[in-house]
Amino acid sequence: EVQLVESGGGLVQPGRSLRLSCTASGFTFGDYDMSWVRQAPGKGLEWVAFIRRKAYGGTTEYAASAKGRFTISRDDSKSIAYLQMNSLKTEDTAVYYCTKRSASYGPRFDYWGQGALVTVSS
Amino acid sequence: DIVMTQTPLSLSVTPGQPASISCKSSQSLLHSDGKTYLYWYLQKPGQSPQLLIYEVSSRFSGVPDRFSGSGSGTDFTLKISRVEAEDVGVYYCVQGIHLPWTFGPGTKVDIK
Repeated sequence: EVQLVESGGGLVQPGRSLRLSCTASGFTFGDYDMSWVRQAPGKGLEWVAFIRRKAYGGTTEYAASAKGRFTISRDDSKSIAYLQMNSLKTEDTAVYYCTKRSASYGPRFDYWGQGALVTVSS
Repeated sequence: DIVMTQTPLSLSVTPGQPASISCKSSQSLLHSDGKTYLYWYLQKPGQSPQLLIYEVSSRFSGVPDRFSGSGSGTDFTLKISRVEAEDVGVYYCVQGIHLPWTFGPGTKVDIK
């Protein structure tokens, strides 16, 4: 059974950093691209970042809101994807979902984690 | 960025009746590879989103056949042939032809 479990969320002050982890199981992690999607309280979905599998260079892509502040990475030996979030702003407050991408093109996310709540507030 | 719009934003449906959601993109989602990168997700209350439809009309594994997707270019539709109580939630379309991938605002479906 495929599982994605996010951890590392919490309350953080503006300007500080936080790292989310997504621990995967039930599939060969290194064979898939991984992504993060967030949802601000009461709002819609916003794609944040994704990282390609090593076979495709392990390259990364970011939404404008994340570029320069967030870094997505992966440790295939541990089946974990990370989202390092620096210089956090109040508008980064959201539930952050880890997703598994099942195709080589487009946001075809066949599995989602339960989400990690990040609250940025002083 | 490609802007995705959805109508209606809210829909109340009698069980057993059909429902339809429209999604429009500000640019064509037809790729040079011949595929159209439009997806539909459903977020049930209190749950994570789940994939319903990919590439306009392909149902994801396990998705009931009462769900269907259609459209081309910039205009797309998700149809539920006979709404059931378990179909309540927010439906999102999302484009995948250009980064950043952008979602529509969502359509909230509830039962009358």
